Amino acid sequence: EPEVTQTPSHQVTQMGQEVILRCVPISNHLYFYWYRQILGQKVEFLVSFYNNEISEKSEIFDDQFSVERPDGSNFTLKIRSTKLEDSAMYFCASNTYNNEQFFGPGTRLTVL
Amino acid sequence: SQQGEEDPQALSIQEGENATMNCSYKTSINNLQWYRQNSGRGLVHLILIRSNEREKHSGRLRVTLDTSKKSSSLLITASRAADTASYFCATDGGSSASKIIFGSGTRLSIRP
Repeated sequence: EPEVTQTPSHQVTQMGQEVILRCVPISNHLYFYWYRQILGQKVEFLVSFYNNEISEKSEIFDDQFSVERPDGSNFTLKIRSTKLEDSAMYFCASNTYNNEQFFGPGTRLTVL
Repeated sequence: SQQGEEDPQALSIQEGENATMNCSYKTSINNLQWYRQNSGRGLVHLILIRSNEREKHSGRLRVTLDTSKKSSSLLITASRAADTASYFCATDGGSSASKIIFGSGTRLSIRP
């Protein structure tokens, strides 16, 4: 069964460093998302992406964040200068025309 | 906000019993979805129910939706140890690129 994959599973970085989280959505999906979940808290929407542009972004998704679909299969989330409060699980999701979003296993980002 | 809020926050039952989790939301919705998350893992899509549907089944899962009360319930029948997880309801705006807004979740523990 096709699934969304994410790499790495765990990323440890120093505050101020740039990180890139990678996702490979399901191949025939058209809509892509990033969510995050701070430990013990709700899953929060960050950004949605369709047709090579951002469809919607939340207040969390400030200038430090960017997304890209560089090659038609990968979907990346970049955080330019990480902060301690960026530590969280980051989930990628994708869907076709219905809105059943399929989530990846997540990347645990730890900012020291 | 479309946010769903689950009730109870935590539920512990004996294996073989049925588990019922409730969700309430604030605004009109197009779809309501239920997800499961095992500890520290990704989100697994369980079921999507549309606003014009009242009940939906999938295996041991039964979801109801009452749009007049802005509430939904998830029933897991004949629970198993493997059902131990957090369960989230989530609402979306109904379009293909619609973000999902998650509730806080119900932590379900199945005692052997």
